[in-house]
Amino acid sequence: EVQLVESGGGLVQPGGSLTLSCAASGFTFSTYSMNWVRQAPGKGLEWVSYISSSSSDIYYRDSVKGRFTISRDNAKNSLYLQMNSLRAEDTAVYYCARILRPGSADQIFDSWGQGTLVTVSS
Amino acid sequence: EIVLTQSPATLSLSPGERATLSCRASQSVSSYLVWYQQKPGQAPRLLIYDASNRATGIPARFSGSGSGTDFTLTISNLEPEDFAVYYCQQRQHWPPITFGQGTRLEIK
Repeated sequence: EVQLVESGGGLVQPGGSLTLSCAASGFTFSTYSMNWVRQAPGKGLEWVSYISSSSSDIYYRDSVKGRFTISRDNAKNSLYLQMNSLRAEDTAVYYCARILRPGSADQIFDSWGQGTLVTVSS
Repeated sequence: EIVLTQSPATLSLSPGERATLSCRASQSVSSYLVWYQQKPGQAPRLLIYDASNRATGIPARFSGSGSGTDFTLTISNLEPEDFAVYYCQQRQHWPPITFGQGTRLEIK
């Protein structure tokens, strides 16, 4: 069974930093591209970042470029999101999401974690 | 950036009825349109990909259609567990991947 378990969320002050982790199991993590998607309280879904299976391709939405860094450790079956210079508008539940097909960049999110809440507030 | 507009914002129906949800793209996304279902406190669930392909384990009462800029998710014979929020997402022109604002399907 595919499992994605996020951790690392919490309360942080504006300008602070946080690192989210996503532990993957039940599939060959190293062959799948991954994404982070967030959802502000009571709002819709917003794509944040993408990383290919080998980390050769990485993309971010404009509002987080230069502040967030996505990475992965295929030996540890883990995905990460380093978040710096956090703003109130970054407050959201952050989900890691797997792409449907191994070895592809087809952005169809077939498996999601349960999410981890990041709250940016003083 | 592709903007996806979903309508209606809220749809009130009764179990057993048919639901028709719309997603319109600001420019053509070919057939690269995806639908998700999200229930309160849960992660989204993949329903339909590439406009009309049901994901694994999704009941046949869920169907998708459309191409270009206009897409429809149809849920026939609504079950109580179908009442949720539905999002469309395009994967033709990215980054960024974009989602619609969601349609809330509520029990009438």
